[in-house]
Amino acid sequence: GAVVSQHPSWVICKSGTSVKIECRSLDFQATTMFWYRQFPKQSLMLMATSNEGSKATYEQGVEKDKFLINHASLTLSTLTVTSAHPEDSSFYICSASSGPGNTQYFGPGTRLTVL
Amino acid sequence: AQSVTQPDIHITVSEGASLELRCNYSYGATPYLFWYVQSPGQGLQLLLKYFSGDTLVQGIKGFEAEFKRSQSSFNLRKPSVHWSDAAEYFCAVGAGLTGGGNKLTFGTGTQLKVEL
Repeated sequence: GAVVSQHPSWVICKSGTSVKIECRSLDFQATTMFWYRQFPKQSLMLMATSNEGSKATYEQGVEKDKFLINHASLTLSTLTVTSAHPEDSSFYICSASSGPGNTQYFGPGTRLTVL
Repeated sequence: AQSVTQPDIHITVSEGASLELRCNYSYGATPYLFWYVQSPGQGLQLLLKYFSGDTLVQGIKGFEAEFKRSQSSFNLRKPSVHWSDAAEYFCAVGAGLTGGGNKLTFGTGTQLKVEL
C-alpha cells in the first residue's frame, strides 16, 4: 500500500515552454501533497504544500506564478513549470500524505531538463 | 525553525559489517523523525519513523533507529550491511500536527558505499 506515482519520469523541453508533472496517490486519499526539488547530490528542498481543494502554500523564495500547483482531487496534484529555463532543470519529487501529521509517501521523481 | 544535520557526507563499510548513520535535529517541540533511503534516480522510500513511545524504532530491511532526546539525535543502525544497502540516506524532522500539515525538513544526506 501507500504507492505514489509521478508522470512523466523524465522530460526534456525547450526554453520558454511549460511542462506539467502529475503526482498520483494510487491506493489512498491524499489530503495533502508536497512538491520538492532536488539538485544533484543535494537534499530535498520543499517548494510547496498543497491541500485538496485549496490554494498551495509556497515556501519562501519559490515563485508561485512560475510553479503552478493544482490539487483538484484527493488522488492527483499537478505541478506546472511555466516558461521553463535551463536553471529550472532539476529532479522534482512529490509526496502524499493522508492528513496532517501522517507519514509522507514519495513518488519516484521526475527529471526535468530544459534546453 | 527545525533543522537536521547529518555530519557524514560519505560512509564506506564492508559487507557484513555494522553500520551507524548519524542524525542530529533541532526542533522546539516533540519531533517527528524519519529516515528515508534513495537509490540513484529514484524517489524516497521510508525506512522507519518515530512519533512517540518506545525510543528504539524498528524499520524495514533490518534497520533500526534510536531517539535520544538528551542528545537531539536519531541515529540509524544496521547490524550487518548488505551490498544492496548502498544508497543515499536522508534523515528528516517533521513539524508535527499542525494545520499546515507535516512539513519535513531534510538533512543533506549520507552516501553509503558498501565494499564487497
